[in-house]
Amino acid sequence: GEDVEQSLFLSVREGDSSVINCTYTDSSSTYLYWYKQEPGAGLQLLTYIFSNMDMKQDQRLTVLLNKKDKHLSLRIADTQTGDSAIYFCAESIRYGNNRLAFGKGNQVVVIP
Amino acid sequence: NAGVTQTPKFQVLKTGQSMTLQCAQDMNHNSMYWYRQDPGMGLRLIYYSASEGTTDKGEVPNGYNVSRLNKREFSLRLESAAPSQTSVYFCASSTPGGGADTQYFGPGTRLTVL
Repeated sequence: GEDVEQSLFLSVREGDSSVINCTYTDSSSTYLYWYKQEPGAGLQLLTYIFSNMDMKQDQRLTVLLNKKDKHLSLRIADTQTGDSAIYFCAESIRYGNNRLAFGKGNQVVVIP
Repeated sequence: NAGVTQTPKFQVLKTGQSMTLQCAQDMNHNSMYWYRQDPGMGLRLIYYSASEGTTDKGEVPNGYNVSRLNKREFSLRLESAAPSQTSVYFCASSTPGGGADTQYFGPGTRLTVL
């Protein structure tokens, strides 16, 4: 079955880089995703990576994928106060009718 | 486009009461989903609808029913609310198949069952 693991909390100073990690179990996942949830809001897609890629860069965001270890990370460069949120990784479920399995989330607090 | 909308935003129920959470999307998406979010639990899928006219159970369907009224609307019903159903409920819809299964989320309904 699918199971996505994330650590729970990270604090980082404004301007520093932050790295959030995630492990997943379904090696057949086609895509892996990072979602952001700001306080009191729904989840917003940040970025995703296709499973045959090792890295994807999108402005301040860098996603690294290690398929051998089933490890996904999100690096946020020059972290800003607006980056304070909960970040969820998710994997697509094979034959799951567009279903996703989400991790429990990682809260990032940016200290000014 | 409004994206995914949910009503109501907040609701307080007494144990045993019933209610329906409404969700609508204007992006012409085939698939729609209902999740619940509880502290430390992440998002758990309650029900989903791969296309108009079909619904399937997710991880935690007990105590809930759904209706895919048409392509735009997907409602979640609690027939007899219990305190264990206190949660934040999110509706989502996803792009048609063929690419990344990007899901778009509504703003959520915060439900308290006393």
